[in-house]
Amino acid sequence: EPEVTQTPSHQVTQMGQEVILRCVPISNHLYFYWYRQILGQKVEFLVSFYNNEISEKSEIFDDQFSVERPDGSNFTLKIRSTKLEDSAMYFCASRVLVLGTDTQYFGPGTRLTVL
Amino acid sequence: AQSVTQLGSHVSVSEGALVLLRCNYSSSVPPYLFWYVQYPNQGLQLLLKYTTGATLVKGINGFEAEFKKSETSFHLTKPSAHMSDAAEYFCAVTPGGSQGNLIFGKGTKLSVKP
Repeated sequence: EPEVTQTPSHQVTQMGQEVILRCVPISNHLYFYWYRQILGQKVEFLVSFYNNEISEKSEIFDDQFSVERPDGSNFTLKIRSTKLEDSAMYFCASRVLVLGTDTQYFGPGTRLTVL
Repeated sequence: AQSVTQLGSHVSVSEGALVLLRCNYSSSVPPYLFWYVQYPNQGLQLLLKYTTGATLVKGINGFEAEFKKSETSFHLTKPSAHMSDAAEYFCAVTPGGSQGNLIFGKGTKLSVKP
C-alpha cells in the first residue's frame, strides 16, 4: 500500500542553523501539508500546498519557514534559523484531489531537536 | 472558526471493557470529521472518518463513531478493549469540501489494563 515517507526520522541541530525536512507524498496525491506536534501538545497545522504554491498557512508559519516541491516527488519544509521552540515532531501529509475524498495520509514524522 | 474539544486527556479501561472517547466540535459549515490514532513513536493513522451519508461509521480495529449533528459530537467507541488499543487518539475536523487542513483536538491517551 502506498505511504507517505519522511526523512530523516530524527534531526538534531544547533539553534540558528537551517534545517530541511523532506517528505515523499503518495504519488498520485496533489495536496500536501505540514503539521507539527510539540511534545505533549496537539497536532497543529502549519501549511498546505497545491499546484506549486501555498494554499493556506497558519500563524505559526512565519518568514522563518518555507516549503518547496523541488521535483515531482519530494516536498520539503525549510526552517531558516531554528529556535529552541521549533523542537517538535513534524508530520507531512498528502491528499488526493477527488471531490469528497478528504482523507489525509500522514508520514511517520521527523523529530526535530534544537539545542 | 472551527475547533475540537476532546474530553479527558487520559482514559483508562480494563481489557474487554467498553472504550468511549469523547469529541465535540464547532463548525460554521457541515464538517468532515476524523479520528486518528498515534501509537508510541509513530505517525498518525486514520481510524475512521465521516464526510456525508450514514452517521454511524465503522473504522479499523473494531472502532466506530457516530456523528450527531444536534449534539455536535463524534464520539469514538469500541465494545471490547484490547491491550493493543493503548495509544493516543486524536479527533479532527475540517470544513467539508475545502482544501482540508485539519484542526485537531488535544488528544486522549488510552490505557488498557490487563
